[in-house]
Amino acid sequence: QSVLTQPPSASGTPGQRVAISCSGSTSNIGSNLVYWYQQLPGRAPKLLIHRNNQRPSGVPDRFSGSKSGTSASLAISGLRSEDEADYYCVAWDDIVTGAVFGGGTRLAVL
Amino acid sequence: EVQLVQSGGGLVKPGGSLTLSCAASGFTFSYAWMNWVRQGPGKGLEWVGRIKTEADGGKTNYAAPVKGRFTISRDDSMKTLYLQMNNLNTEDTAVYYCTTDPFIGALDIWGQGTLVSVS
Repeated sequence: QSVLTQPPSASGTPGQRVAISCSGSTSNIGSNLVYWYQQLPGRAPKLLIHRNNQRPSGVPDRFSGSKSGTSASLAISGLRSEDEADYYCVAWDDIVTGAVFGGGTRLAVL
Repeated sequence: EVQLVQSGGGLVKPGGSLTLSCAASGFTFSYAWMNWVRQGPGKGLEWVGRIKTEADGGKTNYAAPVKGRFTISRDDSMKTLYLQMNNLNTEDTAVYYCTTDPFIGALDIWGQGTLVSVS
């Protein structure tokens, strides 16, 4: 069981907006930065969002991140078929003094 | 080319040891905090540990399941990161990735992954 809680699956149709939640606690999301990764099948993960809501260079502005209290969210607007992937949130946890990942959310584009 | 190239995976018996290497090129390795992340068969990502730069004291942190068994080290002169794994058990079976820590400048570089099978 992961320290950060994500829904195991999400889905949407092309063009829609979907949001993936990531719930934690005061020791991780509540007091540290949140990062989001996308992992395409058979590939290494790719950083989508850093420092809660910042997009690295090259990441489309269809992807956005937010954080409030002990929860974070990744939103994908204008959904495209190539967005089908697994998405993970991660944050540092001050109690375990280590990074903790969410269990991952598999996004299907129907 | 900016890349991390991993080596050293394979099949090992329970209780055995293995060392993974991760060679960096195309960026200033000595400035990067480095992580090891693993992914068991059909499972999600699991953070293994991190090493900071020598300038930040070279401090290491480990996930609870590997603490005391795994050791992360770096050789900045060789631009190489290492993961020494001792007393391996079947639950350590996974693809292991080395990666830069995005805390420093959103640097996002991943190795190709290397399979460690404990059986």
